[in-house]
Amino acid sequence: DGGITQSPKYLFRKEGQNVTLSCEQNLNHDAMYWYRQDPGQGLRLIYYSQIVNDFQKGDIAEGYSVSREKKESFPLTVTSAQKNPTAFYLCASRDFAGGDSGELFFGEGSRLTVL
Amino acid sequence: GQNIDQPTEMTATEGAIVQINCTYQTSGFNGLFWYQQHAGEAPTFLSYNVLDGLEEKGRFSSFLSRSKGYSYLLLKELQMKDSASYLCAVTDSNYQLIWGAGTKLIIKP
Repeated sequence: DGGITQSPKYLFRKEGQNVTLSCEQNLNHDAMYWYRQDPGQGLRLIYYSQIVNDFQKGDIAEGYSVSREKKESFPLTVTSAQKNPTAFYLCASRDFAGGDSGELFFGEGSRLTVL
Repeated sequence: GQNIDQPTEMTATEGAIVQINCTYQTSGFNGLFWYQQHAGEAPTFLSYNVLDGLEEKGRFSSFLSRSKGYSYLLLKELQMKDSASYLCAVTDSNYQLIWGAGTKLIIKP
């Protein structure tokens, strides 16, 4: 079945370590997104990509990095520069980077905890 | 700035009807989404409105008034499984999604 797969589902990290969250989709979607969600808050955009080999910063990109070498894959690296990385991270994709509709499909999320 | 407002929390009784409001101020408008999110899970799509009026889908309906910058999600015949957060999101002129903080809906027996 088509969908978005995020891994790992749970991740623990020591302070000062970089970690990479994986996001793979087989929906043939052009656009992919990374969001961060903190308790009681909405989704905040970290990075997005509308096409392979191109990506844009979102509202809270500092301390994060991404790559888009393949259409199917959009990994997120949480670097040691991110001061408060404990959060729930959601990857999403949609068919159109523009145009109407363009429902967003989400992965199951990755919960990162910094020890 | 761009802003979407939703109530933080609402409580309703099983079997009843509840209306969750969303007001928005964005740079342009290209559609409004409602998503449901159970605790610890990913959001799932409920509805999409781009024209004024009511869209009905089973027990859930969504209404949009573009002139008022206003939408609501109506849930009928509430079930315990409807306990979740409901997120309102607007697509702006650049086709970027602007998210509200979500409304936590608590259903009581």
